[in-house]
Amino acid sequence: EMQLVESGGGLVKPGGSLRLACEASGFSFRSYSMNWVRQAPGRGLEWVSSITDSGTYIYYADSVKGRFTISRDNAKNSLYLEMNSLRVEDTAVYFCARCLVALYDGFNIWGQGTMVTVSS
Amino acid sequence: QSVLTQPPSASGTPGQRVTISCSGSSSSVGSNSVNWYQQFPGTAPKLLIYSIDERPSGVPDRFSGSKSGTSASLAISGLQSEDEADYYCAAWDDSLNAWVFGGGTKVTVL
Repeated sequence: EMQLVESGGGLVKPGGSLRLACEASGFSFRSYSMNWVRQAPGRGLEWVSSITDSGTYIYYADSVKGRFTISRDNAKNSLYLEMNSLRVEDTAVYFCARCLVALYDGFNIWGQGTMVTVSS
Repeated sequence: QSVLTQPPSASGTPGQRVTISCSGSSSSVGSNSVNWYQQFPGTAPKLLIYSIDERPSGVPDRFSGSKSGTSASLAISGLQSEDEADYYCAAWDDSLNAWVFGGGTKVTVL
């Protein structure tokens, strides 16, 4: 079964840092572009960042550019999101998602999400 | 404010056809494929339609997508109670170099 499992969420103070991880199983992780998408409580989906299969190309939403860093370790079948200078408005459930095939395809496999709460 | 524009709500009775619109720009919907996601409360989104009108395995053919210019639509034919959910459109934006989502449409089955 193809699966993504996120971890690393929690409560952090404004200005703090957090590192999310997403472990993949059941498919050849190194062959797919990957993404982070978040959803604030009661709000819609917001794309955060994407990384191509080899990590050559990386993209960020303007709202997180310069504060968040996406990375991957294909040997460990894992995707990461390093989040620094966190703000209250970063509070959300963070999902990792796999592209159908290439970066511009839809996201066909999603994790269950991990909650990040930024509050003093 | 979302880059893609969707109506906040839509509704219909069982068996009816419901259509959800998604309006974008020449650099997003106008240039790239549109994907649609279905999300139930407290769960992860599910890919419903990709590449404008393709359905992943397991998605009923009651769901269909279309696109014209800078607008796309999701149609649900033969609406069923289990279709009550939130629906989001998404497309890659060439100008922003980013994925953009619609604000979501809550479908209610009356």
